[in-house]
Amino acid sequence: DIQMTQSPSSLSASVGDRVTITCRASQSISIYLNWYQQKVGKAPNLLIYAASSLQSGVPSRFSGSGSGTDFTLTISSLQPEDFATYYCQQSYSTPPMYTFGQGTKLEIK
Amino acid sequence: QVTLKESGPALVKPTQTLTLTCSFSGFSLSTSGMRVSWIRQPPGKAPEWLARIDWDDDKFYSTSLKTRLTISKDTSKNQVVLTMTNMDPVDTATYYCARVHKHDYFYYFDFWGQGTLVTVSS
Repeated sequence: DIQMTQSPSSLSASVGDRVTITCRASQSISIYLNWYQQKVGKAPNLLIYAASSLQSGVPSRFSGSGSGTDFTLTISSLQPEDFATYYCQQSYSTPPMYTFGQGTKLEIK
Repeated sequence: QVTLKESGPALVKPTQTLTLTCSFSGFSLSTSGMRVSWIRQPPGKAPEWLARIDWDDDKFYSTSLKTRLTISKDTSKNQVVLTMTNMDPVDTATYYCARVHKHDYFYYFDFWGQGTLVTVSS
């Protein structure tokens, strides 16, 4: 199975900061990479699909990049509502064996 | 609009079989291209994908859990059912169902249920 590794595991930042989260796949997954945001007690919410495509309704301060094994999620200017846990997830495997990264918890500094 | 909701027991005993139901609206699993997955999340840990069922009744399972899982659908009721046998305390988690959307060649979970917490304990 493809393993997904995120870094850092946790991150402290301030409102207005630019933040980057990294996700690495154990093998090349082209751009079959999605990003989700999860707030406490809620289901994950899709932010980015196909590595860089913004899901409808998601603010433009969120962006994704990368291909192959290395990917990044960037928040250009942190807002109070962005403090949450972020997960990457690959959809490359056939037959499907979707795997998630271990998560990055974004906290207020 | 698309909504999904999970239902099932909050507490099961070790070795028992868990049966969860996902009731959804806003789409039909009889429509070509529709797919639904089950995903679980142990407390404080990352989500783990479990299974997927497609409109044409294709079924896919997590390689590590496939011997314990069965996914099925009732198109007339707009429901998807997941059974997991031989439950163990490590299976304690919030269980989610989610719609799987395909855009070109890309799959992602675009709508999720609220989740249901299942605790395994004697």
